[in-house]
This record gives sequence, structure tokens and C-alpha cells, in this order.
Amino acid sequence: EAGVVQSPRYKIIEKKQPVAFWCNPISGHNTLYWYRQNLGQGPELLIRYENEEAVDDSQLPKDRFSAERLKGVDSTLKIQPAELGDSAVYLCASSLDRARDETQYFGPGTRLLVL
Amino acid sequence: QKEVEQDPGPLSVPEGAIVSLNCTYSNSAFQYFMWYRQYSRKGPELLMYTYSSGNKEDGRFTAQVDKSSKYISLFIRDSQPSDSATYLCAMKGKSNFGNEKLTFGTGTRLTIIP
Repeated sequence: EAGVVQSPRYKIIEKKQPVAFWCNPISGHNTLYWYRQNLGQGPELLIRYENEEAVDDSQLPKDRFSAERLKGVDSTLKIQPAELGDSAVYLCASSLDRARDETQYFGPGTRLLVL
Repeated sequence: QKEVEQDPGPLSVPEGAIVSLNCTYSNSAFQYFMWYRQYSRKGPELLMYTYSSGNKEDGRFTAQVDKSSKYISLFIRDSQPSDSATYLCAMKGKSNFGNEKLTFGTGTRLTIIP
């Protein structure tokens, strides 16, 4: 079974430029998460989707970050414009659903460097 | 003060040694405790999942939770070079709605020396 797929794996951009990350969760997983992991830190939740609905986006900096999960499968996280402090690894995770299995399975992440 | 505290290390031990990794926390609402392993340039993978206080063993790994002290541990027996990774503790509270937000520690970077 394929795991969580993320692309691109690496991205280098100049500040003020836009950037987008893509995530394909494990097939059948209803819940999708986006995390940000700064160097030497643990992941921090940005947004959680239950199917197409964003049910927890309290930690998403909405002035520059946006996310969508059309049709409740793939998801895209966008930053516009990017700032130097956005340099981090952006992780996507998915889980089956709360009734059966909440175990979160993580993708390899997208490593973003903003110059 | 962070909700979850974890010594970032780095920690280096010889192959075959017993490794002890620890986290403390301040939120008494946490009831689910996890340990994730993260290899370099990879995403975290779940190692151990425990509910409330007690011990749980899985092969060479043992997770301990002491809710009275707000302290959790992961022990690795007969450590192998392949165990070299960053180990993250994570925890969450209990909710009727499920899928409570995970709060992670900073991670401890572990190196097993052959």
C-alpha cells in the first residue's frame, strides 16, 4: 500500500514569492493534516480536514496561508507571499477516521527554503 | 513554558546499550501518549501508542506513562545502529469529537555507535 505522497520534496524560493505544496493521502483516509516542522522542533498542526471540511484551522496564518481539499482526497497548501520565517518542512499526514483508527501516517514532507 | 518538554540531545550510546528517552508535560488533560521515530529527511512514523498510565512493550521497545508525575519514557533494549533517528513524543487529550490535536515534543536525536 502506498503511503502519503507529497510533492515537491524540496523548494527554494525568494521571499514574497508564492509557493504551493501538494499531498495525496493514503487511499480511504478521511482525515488529512498539514503540519509545519521548524528545524529542531516537533511538528505543529496548521490545519485538519475531515473529508472536504476544514475542521481545525486555528493555527493557520490566514493572512498568507491557504489550503484546500477538493473532493476530499488530495490537498494543496499555499503560501502567498512567502516570508523568510516560513522556511521549514511542511508535513502532510492522514488517518482513517476517529471511529476506527486515528493513527496518523506522515508523508516525507516538503522542505522549503525562503531566501 | 511549553506544554511538552523533551531534551533535544544529541544522545550517543554504544550498540547493544539500553536507551532511555523521556518527556514531561504540564497539561493534565493529556491521556493518549505516543512515540514517533523520524529518520533524517523522512516523516515521523508511529512507534508506540499508549492510553493513560502504565507500560506497553513491543519487541525491543517499552513505553511507560506516569500520569501522576506527568512523565513518559521510551526504552530501547539491545540498541542497533538502525535505531539512530530523532524520537518525538506526542500526546493529546480525550474528546467526544475524536482526533484531538497532537502536541509534540522537540524530539531527541539519538545515535547508536557500532
